[in-house]
Amino acid sequence: EAGVAQSPRYKIIEKRQSVAFWCNPISGHATLYWYQQILGQGPKLLIQFQNNGVVDDSQLPKDRFSAERLKGVDSTLKIQPAKLEDSAVYLCASSFGDREYTFGSGTRLTVV
Amino acid sequence: AQSVTQLDSQVPVFEEAPVELRCNYSSSVSVYLFWYVQYPNQGLQLLLKYLSGSTLVESINGFEAEFNKSQTSFHLRKPSVHISDTAEYFCAVNSGANNLFFGTGTRLTVIP
Repeated sequence: EAGVAQSPRYKIIEKRQSVAFWCNPISGHATLYWYQQILGQGPKLLIQFQNNGVVDDSQLPKDRFSAERLKGVDSTLKIQPAKLEDSAVYLCASSFGDREYTFGSGTRLTVV
Repeated sequence: AQSVTQLDSQVPVFEEAPVELRCNYSSSVSVYLFWYVQYPNQGLQLLLKYLSGSTLVESINGFEAEFNKSQTSFHLRKPSVHISDTAEYFCAVNSGANNLFFGTGTRLTVIP
């Protein structure tokens, strides 16, 4: 089966600009996650979707970050405006509820 | 609240020597435990997991981990490492909320 697809792989933007990341989960996986991985740290959950509903967004900086999962399939994560501390790898993952999480390759964001 | 502690941020080891990467967790409820491996510029790959049953779990490439409830540990071991094992290793816990909480990672470097 195809894995979790993410794009773009790399993105460089200036601070205060906006950026969007896209994720296509494994077909049939109801749950989708966005994680932020800052260099030298473990991934941190930003938001979790179950189909097209938000299950947990307690760690999402809602003043600048937003995410949606229309139709319960693809998802986009947006940052507007970006700050220097947003430089990180953004990982998307999906699961079917069997505690088998599949991760995408991530988008490496550099804010300058 | 749950947390994961990986005490060693870096572990250098000579090729064909044994290695142990330590992981301790805290959680007030039953847990599911995972080890993920991350190669440079790639996403996270599941190495092994403990959900229930035998407390000793193994991966296909020679790693094993043992769930120790009394010590709240899930240490990763391999009796003989290869150059190709050089990577970042993350311990993660899931305590029922259906999302993963990660440790800060251990960078394993295998020295020829």
